[in-house]
Amino acid sequence: RKEVEQDPGPFNVPEGATVAFNCTYSNSASQSFFWYRQDCRKEPKLLMSVYSSGNEDGRFTAQLNRASQYISLLIRDSKLSDSATYLCVVNRGNTPLVFGKGTRLSVIA
Amino acid sequence: GAVVSQHPSWVICKSGTSVKIECRSLDFQATTMFWYRQFPKQSLMLMATSNEGSKATYEQGVEKDKFLINHASLTLSTLTVTSAHPEDSSFYICSANGISVNQPQHFGDGTRLSIL
Repeated sequence: RKEVEQDPGPFNVPEGATVAFNCTYSNSASQSFFWYRQDCRKEPKLLMSVYSSGNEDGRFTAQLNRASQYISLLIRDSKLSDSATYLCVVNRGNTPLVFGKGTRLSVIA
Repeated sequence: GAVVSQHPSWVICKSGTSVKIECRSLDFQATTMFWYRQFPKQSLMLMATSNEGSKATYEQGVEKDKFLINHASLTLSTLTVTSAHPEDSSFYICSANGISVNQPQHFGDGTRLSIL
């Protein structure tokens, strides 16, 4: 079983739609969690950190459930520019980040 | 602005050539840098952890004699793909540990390597 698992998609949604991505991690010692965005042929860029209390940044909301080892990302009012691959990322402390395979989102006009 | 600079961004060369990729931290010291490889439609795969002043730590299945890593200064790590073959064609990305808990890693722009 992979340490970080995501639904690869693709998710094809119309502009304005709300879309949710899920991610599970297997290592209970994981300490911090992030969502990265990666555009085609580009490097990953940090979208937001994920906290147990849940956090929101504009149209993006991230949630963490440590008991279930589950992370989510909700995107409201999708824009064409949101089309990308969204990577669920886990940090176990003084070790390299562990990346999920990514979930591909296409927002359609 | 960019905090990690990676060069070159694109390389096309013949089979058997050795290719060097540079990763520089800008305005901060990076004692640890990471090298990743990403094949099309695949996830980022960590190849090795580069430690300043000491030998790199390679992930299982990565040939250390083929992928030479040098981290001779606090701002520069290099990855050399020796005697590259078409199967080495990939997207190579470096990163450095961030300076705050909210910015875990800074990534370079990546190097697209195509071996003919």
